[in-house]
Amino acid sequence: NAGVTQTPKFRILKIGQSMTLQCTQDMNHNYMYWYRQDPGMGLKLIYYSVGAGITDKGEVPNGYNVSRSTTEDFPLRLELAAPSQTSVYFCASSYSEGAAKNIQYFGAGTRLSVL
Amino acid sequence: GQNIDQPTEMTATEGAIVQINCTYQTSGFNGLFWYQQHAGEAPTFLSYNVLDGLEEKGRFSSFLSRSKGYSYLLLKELQMKDSASYLCAVRAANSGNTPLVFGKGTRLSVIA
Repeated sequence: NAGVTQTPKFRILKIGQSMTLQCTQDMNHNYMYWYRQDPGMGLKLIYYSVGAGITDKGEVPNGYNVSRSTTEDFPLRLELAAPSQTSVYFCASSYSEGAAKNIQYFGAGTRLSVL
Repeated sequence: GQNIDQPTEMTATEGAIVQINCTYQTSGFNGLFWYQQHAGEAPTFLSYNVLDGLEEKGRFSSFLSRSKGYSYLLLKELQMKDSASYLCAVRAANSGNTPLVFGKGTRLSVIA
């Protein structure tokens, strides 16, 4: 049971570099999310998607981009990495038909440092 | 705006009972979730409340009062493996499609 898979697990970037964080799920979930988690700050929503071809901004979208070309994949793109983007990034997915009990399942996370 | 408050840290003894509180102020309400997150790992779902009252699941129970904007997670017969952060999250609007808003989490340490 793979669930939600994120790659890479760890990455160090230099300021100004770009990278894509990969996320894929094999549960046929329609919803997918990207969060960042800073120490003591809880989870902040970056972007989310309610289905292939549809994406929406969350609370902290600046400096990031996403795409959702398939149900399974939801990559997160950092174009010009900044030290403020040092964080742990979690991808999550859920299945929703409008029901409130829309449980999110999380990937193991990507630990990113920008130096 | 959305605001979710929970204590930053708590300590409890193995075998005891601990209650982790969560208060919320949100525009609309359509469910409250508790997640457990061990250090360095992903959050995992624990419980869900949408109606007032207590939901029990083994050693864990969760309570909700919508009129007070209040929930708690009750952990009984504490074990060392319960040492983790506990995240309270609220679906703020009256739609199952609205993303969750998470609190900052409560770090629970279980000591012998």
